[in-house]
Amino acid sequence: SQQGEEDPQALSIQEGENATMNCSYKTSINNLQWYRQNSGRGLVHLILIRSNEREKHSGGLRVTLDTSKKSSSLLITASRAADTASYFCATAYNNDMRFGAGTRLTVKP
Amino acid sequence: DAGVIQSPRHEVTEMGQEVTLRCKPISGHDYLFWYRQTMMRGLELLIYFNNNVPIDDSGMPEDRFSAKMPNASFSTLKIQPSEPRDSAVYFCASSFSGGRNQPQHFGDGTRLSIL
Repeated sequence: SQQGEEDPQALSIQEGENATMNCSYKTSINNLQWYRQNSGRGLVHLILIRSNEREKHSGGLRVTLDTSKKSSSLLITASRAADTASYFCATAYNNDMRFGAGTRLTVKP
Repeated sequence: DAGVIQSPRHEVTEMGQEVTLRCKPISGHDYLFWYRQTMMRGLELLIYFNNNVPIDDSGMPEDRFSAKMPNASFSTLKIQPSEPRDSAVYFCASSFSGGRNQPQHFGDGTRLSIL
């Protein structure tokens, strides 16, 4: 399906470590987006990467996209406790956008 | 600049009662989305509007659910009658022109509990 699937479902790391979350999908995309959701809050858009882009940076975030493998990764460098949240990828194609089930990231102080 | 505003933040009611959730999108946004989030099913799109017109309501679970957007700054999602299985967090989101491919701005949701 078009819907992205995040991997792993849950990730626990120490503050200062890097966190990598992956998203795989099965169909074509126009773009792929990453969102963060803090507990009890709505989703917040982090970054959008177009299908013709391979890598993008925003703040301490690095996103890669490999359309041949139909996968994307989100890297948070030097994580902080405040990065504890759920992270979702969303695949967009032909005026349709689908969210994955998310990765729950816990950053321990 | 105010974000998407939803009310109420929490709603607890008994089965069979009517529930109305409200949303004020970001000014200037012409797309509005209603989602439902549960642990079991994740984030599900219920319905979305473009320029106040419902475009796709295929995600609305059944006739007990209805949504309206009488003007560009207000939308409601109504459940009548409510059932325990409707318990979830309901989110409203809005986006600027460009269709559903554009980044969406979410409110903080309404946590609905049906007893």
